Amino acid sequence: GESVGLHLPTLSVQEGDNSIINCAYSNSASDYFIWYKQESGKGPQFIIDIRSNMDKRQGQRVTVLLNKTVKHLSLQIAATQPGDSAVYFCAENLPKLSFGAGTTVTVRA
Amino acid sequence: DAGVIQSPRHEVTEMGQEVTLRCKPISGHNSLFWYRQTMMRGLELLIYFNNNVPIDDSGMPEDRFSAKMPNASFSTLKIQPSEPRDSAVYFCASTIRGGRGEKLFFGSGTQLSVL
Repeated sequence: GESVGLHLPTLSVQEGDNSIINCAYSNSASDYFIWYKQESGKGPQFIIDIRSNMDKRQGQRVTVLLNKTVKHLSLQIAATQPGDSAVYFCAENLPKLSFGAGTTVTVRA
Repeated sequence: DAGVIQSPRHEVTEMGQEVTLRCKPISGHNSLFWYRQTMMRGLELLIYFNNNVPIDDSGMPEDRFSAKMPNASFSTLKIQPSEPRDSAVYFCASTIRGGRGEKLFFGSGTQLSVL
């Protein structure tokens, strides 16, 4: 069945370095993808989204890359800060919005 | 805007008791989603509504779970009778379903513990 998966469950990054979180999706018909951030004790919070007619989209310190050929999604965080420590989820929209297992990002001071 | 509001924030109950979780979506949003989050299974979609009508309840675990949306500003998720395996964080989310993009806005969740 369709599923959204993440390559690595945890990521440890030095403060100030760039972070890259990867995600594989399985439904080639999906045309909308979202990244969410979930801090401890809170609900998931929208970070950035991208539609399938784009390869790249930039936000504030974050960039999402979409490779439809290999059904791969990545989230890049520039100059990672302690406040970026959280669990990051990718989601695809079809057949219904489904979330991957999440990658736990820990920022080292 | 206050965002999606869920209550209670925490619920501790004994096995066999009825549990009711409540959600107020963002005003103007016409789609509402209930998710359950556990360490083992991650974020699971239980049910979602469009314009107060249940569209897909295939994620509801069993007949012990039921959800209602009597109006555009209120929804409930009920578990009767509750079991220890129902212990999880339950999230409500809402969005404006204008197309195939679904940017969901989540509430803070209800932490349910069934003893």
